[in-house]
Amino acid sequence: QKEVEQNSGPLSVPEGAIASLNCTYSDRGSQSFFWYRQYSGKSPELIMFIYSNGDKEDGRFTAQLNKASQYVSLLIRDSQPSDSATYLCAVNIGYGQNFVFGPGTRLSVLP
Amino acid sequence: DAGITQSPRHKVTETGTPVTLRCHQTENHRYMYWYRQDPGHGLRLIHYSYGVKDTDKGEVSDGYSVSRSKTEDFLLTLESATSSQTSVYFCAISDPGGNTEAFFGQGTRLTVV
Repeated sequence: QKEVEQNSGPLSVPEGAIASLNCTYSDRGSQSFFWYRQYSGKSPELIMFIYSNGDKEDGRFTAQLNKASQYVSLLIRDSQPSDSATYLCAVNIGYGQNFVFGPGTRLSVLP
Repeated sequence: DAGITQSPRHKVTETGTPVTLRCHQTENHRYMYWYRQDPGHGLRLIHYSYGVKDTDKGEVSDGYSVSRSKTEDFLLTLESATSSQTSVYFCAISDPGGNTEAFFGQGTRLTVV
């Protein structure tokens, strides 16, 4: 059973702070890793993907991957109230199939 | 936005009745997926398809069947709906390759009473 785990939250941070979201996965054959944001009542939308160890930055978002520790994280700098959503970590073992999702972490950014 | 349309968007049905949900894509992506999303469980894969008439089961496939007769359409059928199948259903598409993302449809909220 391939598993992806996340803290369910809620994670509350003040506006302007850094939000740190974490994810661990069980399948060492996992090849690529995705962070999706889902607003209440909406469908998931991709924020970032990463497939190499290290950091990947895109605007206020940084994804970090450590395959040896089977750990992926998402940092959101200068958090805004509009960042309040559930963040889903997803893992793909390859060949376009079988995205496995974590349960999601609910983030609340307080004005 | 990726061209994925789910229908219907909302449905209320009675226990024991058959229900079919439709996913239509205009992106010509090879892979199509059906997920259900429930509080505390996140997104769970029901079935997926890797080509026309090529489908496989996901982790929660019991009580569901699928069909894909055309690249653009992927149907999910609940043969005899039960209250435990009350959920939000998402269709997703992707292309082959480990580094390609999944794009999601708007979702279908199904209530079985």
